[in-house]
Amino acid sequence: GENVEQHPSTLSVQEGDSAVIKCTYSDSASNYFPWYKQELGKGPQLIIDIRSNVGEKKDQRIAVTLNKTAKHFSLHITETQPEDSAVYFCAASMHGGSQGNLIFGKGTKLSVKP
Amino acid sequence: NAGVTQTPKFQVLKTGQSMTLQCAQDMNHNSMYWYRQDPGMGLRLIYYSASEGTTDKGEVPNGYNVSRLNKREFSLRLESAAPSQTSVYFCASSPLGRGDEKLFFGSGTQLSVL
Repeated sequence: GENVEQHPSTLSVQEGDSAVIKCTYSDSASNYFPWYKQELGKGPQLIIDIRSNVGEKKDQRIAVTLNKTAKHFSLHITETQPEDSAVYFCAASMHGGSQGNLIFGKGTKLSVKP
Repeated sequence: NAGVTQTPKFQVLKTGQSMTLQCAQDMNHNSMYWYRQDPGMGLRLIYYSASEGTTDKGEVPNGYNVSRLNKREFSLRLESAAPSQTSVYFCASSPLGRGDEKLFFGSGTQLSVL
């Protein structure tokens, strides 16, 4: 089955710097890669996702890149702000498959220092 | 606009006690899920219900049972709680249960088993 590795487990940056979180996956059939943000005391929320037919997707200060050959994808946050501090999870699944096949990485705790 | 509502928010049990975690969604979603979140382990799927009347095991189903009471409600039962079930439990829902859909999470139940 699918296995998703996420690095780093913790990341500390200064406000205004960029942050990058990387994930690798094992199942070449996976073609949907969402990123969820979890603020303290809350449930995860989808912030961006990418499908395998595109290599990059941007939404304001966040972007996700995908390298299907290498089976890795990354989350990029530019001009970080204190409100970006949270735990971020990557995940992988197969379009057309069931949500029961969505596999999450172990998470990255991002701290943005003012 | 409640979304996904979980009760209770906190619970302390003694080993061997039983309890039911309740979840309800008001978005008319077909699919519902139960995840557990442990430090350093990410989100792991316990059980899911693709549609009313169906339930399926996820990655870590042992020690749990579920009931899809109706389209809105999906409960998780611990028959005989064990310390290994100390965790934060999240209920989620999605419109159709496809692998490339957004998951909507509740705010979680923090469970401690002593």
